[in-house]
Amino acid sequence: DAGITQSPRYKITETGRQVTLMCHQTWSHSYMFWYRQDLGHGLRLIYYSAAADITDKGEVPDGYVVSRSKTENFPLTLESATRSQTSVYFCASSETRGGSYEQYFGPGTRLTVT
Amino acid sequence: QQQVKQSPQSLIVQKGGISIINCAYENTAFDYFPWYQQFPGKGPALLIAIRPDVSEKKEGRFTISFNKSAKQFSLHIMDSQPGDSATYFCAAPNTNAGKSTFGDGTTLTVKP
Repeated sequence: DAGITQSPRYKITETGRQVTLMCHQTWSHSYMFWYRQDLGHGLRLIYYSAAADITDKGEVPDGYVVSRSKTENFPLTLESATRSQTSVYFCASSETRGGSYEQYFGPGTRLTVT
Repeated sequence: QQQVKQSPQSLIVQKGGISIINCAYENTAFDYFPWYQQFPGKGPALLIAIRPDVSEKKEGRFTISFNKSAKQFSLHIMDSQPGDSATYFCAAPNTNAGKSTFGDGTTLTVKP
């Protein structure tokens, strides 16, 4: 199906474990983003990518790693999970040609670190 | 870094009433101002957006009002319905990097 998907939708992991959240989009959008959503903080940008092999830090990058070897995929890795990384994570994509800047969000991954 | 301040944090409105959410931004170089709507358990989705060459844009019951001199834009929901109960985010894009800064969100509850 066309769109943007995230997996897993729910994940429980232990402190210190490595966990990878997957994001896949079928539109061939240039830009992809990772946000975390916490109560009282809205959407905070973790990392973003302007194209394959081009990534950059957002507002809260510490403790996270990203890669983008293919346009359609943008995985987010927590190298050593901490309880403060318990959150809902959203992946998004956009294509800024034409000046729209609309971002299309995935359904989110609810991550709990115990 | 673009700063975006959104208010109020939460809003309760009676069915049929008008909901108003405000957003203030800093950088005047941006040319696209969207509002996103998010229902519980879902990702945000674009609701309506405006460019600063117009002062108002209306789509059905939803209207964006834009005040360039005050660096503010607001979302008005006319005849609010319980189905409008959701969290609303304003955003301001950094066009040089393709990314956006989002407001902290407003949780709207429309009571029947």
